[in-house]
Amino acid sequence: AQSVAQPEDQVNVAEGNPLTVKCTYSVSGNPYLFWYVQYPNRGLQFLLKYITGDNLVKGSYGFEAEFNKSQTSFHLKKPSALVSDSALYFCAVRDMNQAGTALIFGKGTTLSVSS
Amino acid sequence: NAGVTQTPKFQVLKTGQSMTLQCAQDMNHEYMSWYRQDPGMGLRLIHYSVGAGITDQGEVPNGYNVSRSTTEDFPLRLLSAAPSQTSVYFCASSYSMTSGRYEQYFGPGTRLTVT
Repeated sequence: AQSVAQPEDQVNVAEGNPLTVKCTYSVSGNPYLFWYVQYPNRGLQFLLKYITGDNLVKGSYGFEAEFNKSQTSFHLKKPSALVSDSALYFCAVRDMNQAGTALIFGKGTTLSVSS
Repeated sequence: NAGVTQTPKFQVLKTGQSMTLQCAQDMNHEYMSWYRQDPGMGLRLIHYSVGAGITDQGEVPNGYNVSRSTTEDFPLRLLSAAPSQTSVYFCASSYSMTSGRYEQYFGPGTRLTVT
């Protein structure tokens, strides 16, 4: 069965420090991977995606993610965290059992950046 | 462009009532989806559509109906509301797979409470 796991419910980091939000996946075939961010009482905003090519992908707001096929991981990273990065982050993979671009989401990780 | 719009923003229903959640997009996207978000469970796919006149079930379709008569609109109908349908509902849209752009764009959500 296809799935996405985000092993940490919450990640705490001080402003200016690097941050990592972890994601592992389980799909058959080549995965299409995504990261989204959700601010309180808002919809989800697309951050970045991995479809093919370079394992390090860069996205919005200085975020990047590294695709690791052997470890089936797609961790989200940022070199220097900002207080404004505090939000709920979702990792997702394209659902290969559906005809379109529907996603399977992880449960989400709350990122808290302290000043 | 307004992007993906959803109405209403908030709704309270009594058990057994029916209602329709509206979703519209002005980006000429072929694919549209409905998800529900529950605490600690991420987002789960309810129904999706790959084009006008074509719909299919997702992971949690029971108690919901959809139709897609136009490219722009994708309403979600609750047939007989139950407390288990208390959730935040998100509509999303995307280009088709052939575009090479697989990310979904999300609406602001509808917060539904069933008493």
